[in-house]
Amino acid sequence: QSALTQPASVSGSPGQSITISCTGTSSDVGGYNSVSWYQLHPGKAPKLVIYEVSNRPSGISSRFSGSKSGDTASLTISGLQAEDETDYYCSSFTTSSTLVFGGGTKLTVL
Amino acid sequence: QVQLQESGPGLLKPSETLSLSCAVSGYSINNNNYWVWTRQLPGRGLEWIGTIFHTGSTYYNPSLESRVTISVDTSRNQFSLKLSSVTAADTAVYYCVRHKQFSYGDYWGQGTLVTVSS
Repeated sequence: QSALTQPASVSGSPGQSITISCTGTSSDVGGYNSVSWYQLHPGKAPKLVIYEVSNRPSGISSRFSGSKSGDTASLTISGLQAEDETDYYCSSFTTSSTLVFGGGTKLTVL
Repeated sequence: QVQLQESGPGLLKPSETLSLSCAVSGYSINNNNYWVWTRQLPGRGLEWIGTIFHTGSTYYNPSLESRVTISVDTSRNQFSLKLSSVTAADTAVYYCVRHKQFSYGDYWGQGTLVTVSS
């Protein structure tokens, strides 16, 4: 199975909005509403920020939102804050009953 | 409060078998959830290793399937990972994770670094 495609890096200024894309195929992202997004701070366990395309777990800021169009899912972070600077990964369920991650995106808050 | 804690050797030699356990507290492993091993490879991101349902059904990453076994011990409320014939490419931080549904992990262990080196 091939990894989902994410941009290596994105950046934005405090207060702005950024969007991270996650592109797969009809066998994963496009075939199911089972895309998740994780935030990874160095030395800490990954944190789920979006599940099933657009749902936020309890305790996650409303500044985080998710969507999907065709084979591409997106994570949008609005009102960027310095604490948002870290790595983000998407994942998806696949037709083979497996999970696949994206390659990760480094977010820089300028 | 659901908590997961990985344990196992942190240093292995090539060709040995990696064995890790994940103790689950604050939640019964018999509940209707999935239990997952995921690893973070140095500089290369996250990789799903495999999933076990509380019934014992297993699902593995095709690239690792020939070397992986995940099992559940309901009496000890823990689940385990075995990865045989390890190489330096298996050096990673290994996480055990509760997946509320197959597709997403809502509770993660702190992770344990496993280094494979001769």
